[in-house]
Amino acid sequence: QVQLLESGPGLVRPSETLSLACTVSAGSISGYYWSWIRQTPGKGLEWIGSIYHNGNTNYNPSLKGRATISLDKSKNEFSLKVISVTSADTAVYFCAREIEWLAPFDSWGQGTLVTVSA
Amino acid sequence: DIQMTQSPSTLSASVGDRVTITCRASQSVSRFLAWYQQKPGKAPKLLIYKGSTLESGVSSRFSGSASGTEFTLTISSLQPDDFATYYCQQYNSYPRTFGQGTKVEV
Repeated sequence: QVQLLESGPGLVRPSETLSLACTVSAGSISGYYWSWIRQTPGKGLEWIGSIYHNGNTNYNPSLKGRATISLDKSKNEFSLKVISVTSADTAVYFCAREIEWLAPFDSWGQGTLVTVSA
Repeated sequence: DIQMTQSPSTLSASVGDRVTITCRASQSVSRFLAWYQQKPGKAPKLLIYKGSTLESGVSSRFSGSASGTEFTLTISSLQPDDFATYYCQQYNSYPRTFGQGTKVEV
């Protein structure tokens, strides 16, 4: 059964860049769609964007172009960068998998809390 | 964006109760609707997809149905492990969107 694990700094300064990685184990990154989703008490669950194993991406317009998702097949991981962060980007960030284009999120990482604060 | 509206936001119930949660989409999502269960400090867990298909390993006391843009999650007989927050999510189009959640509490 595939397992996903998020990693990255838990504290980011305002205006700087949030960087997270999701390592995929017990399965290949090829053939699937990989997403980042975040959760806050105020806005609930928000899909940030996704990347297909061929590198094609889709993003939520709500982030106004600040998010970038990339993947590294050699490491079996994919990453998220969000630039120019503010306190509104404070959230628990999850990585997740969709097995095909029209599919639910069937596997999730445990989530990692990122706090934006000076 | 497709807006997903869940009701109620909070539901008080007892063990053994039949529980129904509703999710309404602002436009058609066909049958591409999923339900998740989330417990505090954990990731959401997929329960149902395509509106009514039970994910492998999920108890049959969970069921889903659909009528147009309205979807329903039913728990036939609430068990202690079922007290949690439930979310619907559409995957018919981008951006993927979630309902605001329904907390099932004692």
